Amino acid sequence: SQQGEEDPQALSIQEGENATMNCSYKTSINNLQWYRQNSGRGLVHLILIRSNEREKHSGRLRVTLDTSKKSSSLLITASRAADTASYFCAVDNYGQNFVFGPGTRLSVLP
Amino acid sequence: EAGVAQSPRYKIIEKRQSVAFWCNPISGHATLYWYQQILGQGPKLLIQFQNNGVVDDSQLPKDRFSAERLKGVDSTLKIQPAKLEDSAVYLCASSLDLGRDKAFFGQGTRLTVV
Repeated sequence: SQQGEEDPQALSIQEGENATMNCSYKTSINNLQWYRQNSGRGLVHLILIRSNEREKHSGRLRVTLDTSKKSSSLLITASRAADTASYFCAVDNYGQNFVFGPGTRLSVLP
Repeated sequence: EAGVAQSPRYKIIEKRQSVAFWCNPISGHATLYWYQQILGQGPKLLIQFQNNGVVDDSQLPKDRFSAERLKGVDSTLKIQPAKLEDSAVYLCASSLDLGRDKAFFGQGTRLTVV
């Protein structure tokens, strides 16, 4: 399976701290994407990184991709209470399918 | 730009009954996905369409689940008969094309089977 596996499963931090979550996958990918899901809502796309890219930034988000280790990390800097959500990585297998991992539940405490 | 529309938002049925969910993707999006998300888990891909053709339905329980995307636009997902373990949120998503773009998600349909 191409499913990404996020780590840790749950993370609790104080407001203002940085949050890092990781994603590992099994075989070659076209791109890897990170999504956020607030409780009871649909998923919202955060950032897409292609297999030939190593790092991307979007506002307070920084994503890295290491294809040799088949892993990616999502860093949220200066976290806010509004960042409390579940975060999922999804790997695209050259259009054959698009599968998600089990997610990291992030709690940002005020 | 209108988002992905799903209906109904909530549905409660008894086991062994049938149920159908509807999805209207973003206009012009060729790829459509249906996911099942059980509470506390990540979304599980049930079926992926490219226009009106099926790309991947390897995890669709075909003895009870069916999906179609007639004319390559709207899609329906049906469960017949429903089981207790089908209680979940059913998410529809669409993207411009296979393998290149981010996916946009609807708000989902929360199904409770009692």
